[in-house]
Amino acid sequence: DAKTTQPPSMDCAEGRAANLPCNHSTISGNEYVYWYRQIHSQGPQYIIHGLKNNETNEMASLIITEDRKSSTLILPHATLRDTAVYYCIVRPAGGTSYGKLTFGQGTILTVHP
Amino acid sequence: EAQVTQNPRYLITVTGKKLTVTCSQNMNHEYMSWYRQDPGLGLRQIYYSMNVEVTDKGDVPEGYKVSRKEKRNFPLILESPSPNQTSLYFCASSLSVYRGRETQYFGPGTRLLVL
Repeated sequence: DAKTTQPPSMDCAEGRAANLPCNHSTISGNEYVYWYRQIHSQGPQYIIHGLKNNETNEMASLIITEDRKSSTLILPHATLRDTAVYYCIVRPAGGTSYGKLTFGQGTILTVHP
Repeated sequence: EAQVTQNPRYLITVTGKKLTVTCSQNMNHEYMSWYRQDPGLGLRQIYYSMNVEVTDKGDVPEGYKVSRKEKRNFPLILESPSPNQTSLYFCASSLSVYRGRETQYFGPGTRLLVL
């Protein structure tokens, strides 16, 4: 499985954009990049995912580099409620391993007033 | 409301006493999975199920059993719980694992303490 590397923690001022990086240099060509977040021991919440094109939804934007070795999750206007642990996950490709998701340590994002 | 439910939410038990944590989803999802979360270790997958009667091991399956007799339910069974299974457990489901339908939705969690 492709591994991901994220900074352990980041800070952001309320109202500013939060840019969370993720390195996945061993990603395979048909593997997706997923982002989830977890707010204080609640169940993880899906944010966004992408393959090679940039993606945007009502929660965030996902920018994937052209070589697909890294990506950035962007929360355009962070609020205090965005304080959470953010997980970058690479979904394995093919066969029955499709179901296996491996969560790393994630990035603790703290949004300050 | 579309959701994944888990019961119980909190459980204190003793070593060796068999227990079952139930997981149910009302979204007609094919794929279901169990994770445990421990401080400093993040979330780790225990077992998953691609569909009814199809299950497979995740990263940390030792000491756990699962069954998938019907689509909506995916119980996690601890035949002989031990203190190292004290953890926060999450159930998750997704429509399938194929392109466009693989987003996983998580339950609220079950906090287990084994004495």
